[in-house]
Amino acid sequence: TQLLEQSPQFLSIQEGENLTVYCNSSSVFSSLQWYRQEPGEGPVLLVTVVTGGEVKKLKRLTFQFGDARKDSSLHITAAQPGDTGLYLCAGTNAGGTSYGKLTFGQGTILTVHP
Amino acid sequence: NAGVTQTPKFRILKIGQSMTLQCTQDMNHNYMYWYRQDPGMGLKLIYYSVGAGITDKGEVPNGYNVSRSTTEDFPLRLELAAPSQTSVYFCASSYSRRSRRETQYFGPGTRLLVL
Repeated sequence: TQLLEQSPQFLSIQEGENLTVYCNSSSVFSSLQWYRQEPGEGPVLLVTVVTGGEVKKLKRLTFQFGDARKDSSLHITAAQPGDTGLYLCAGTNAGGTSYGKLTFGQGTILTVHP
Repeated sequence: NAGVTQTPKFRILKIGQSMTLQCTQDMNHNYMYWYRQDPGMGLKLIYYSVGAGITDKGEVPNGYNVSRSTTEDFPLRLELAAPSQTSVYFCASSYSRRSRRETQYFGPGTRLLVL
C-alpha cells in the first residue's frame, strides 16, 4: 500500500508570511497532484507534476516534485487570507491497472489571519 | 455543464438502515470514483469504475456496493449503516488515464451521519 505523509497537519500564520507544506512517501509516484478544498466543497485541482525535479508556479504558489518522485512541496509566498483552506496532496501511478486511482495525504489545514 | 452532482447533500441514518448516494456527471467521462473523507483526514477510495458495467474495489470497500449501468451515473449503496460510516462522501470523474496530467473533477460531497 502506498502512503503519503503530509506535514504539517495544521498551520496558522499571519498575512504576508511565507509557508511550505511537505508531502513525503517511500513509494515512487508517476504523478503528484495538489488540491485545495474549502469547507462544504469538494477538492479542486491546483497542479499536477509528473517529472522528477519539476517545478510549477501558480501566482504565489510554487510546487516542486522531488527528483526521485517520492516527495513534493507546496510553497506559498506572502500568504493572504484567501489562501485559507485544506491543502491535499495525492499521488497516482498511471497506466496498467492503476486506472487513475489517487492516494491522498491527510491534508494540511491552513489559516491565514489578516 | 453541471459537472459532477451529488445528492443528497446531507443525511442522517439510523444504525442498520440502508441508503443510496447518487452521483451524476455530464462530461462524458469514462472513469468515476467514490471517496470518503473523515474529519481532518485525506480522502480514501471506496470503489471506482472505468466504464459502464465495470466496477472494482478501492482501499475501503467493506459495507458499500456500487453499480454503473450508464456512463453518467455511479450510485453508491450503503447496506446496514454503521457509525463507522459517518463521513463525507465525494464522487469524482475523469475522462481517462492516458495522460498522467488527467484531472479528476469532484462533486460537492454528501455528508452522512449514522446514529
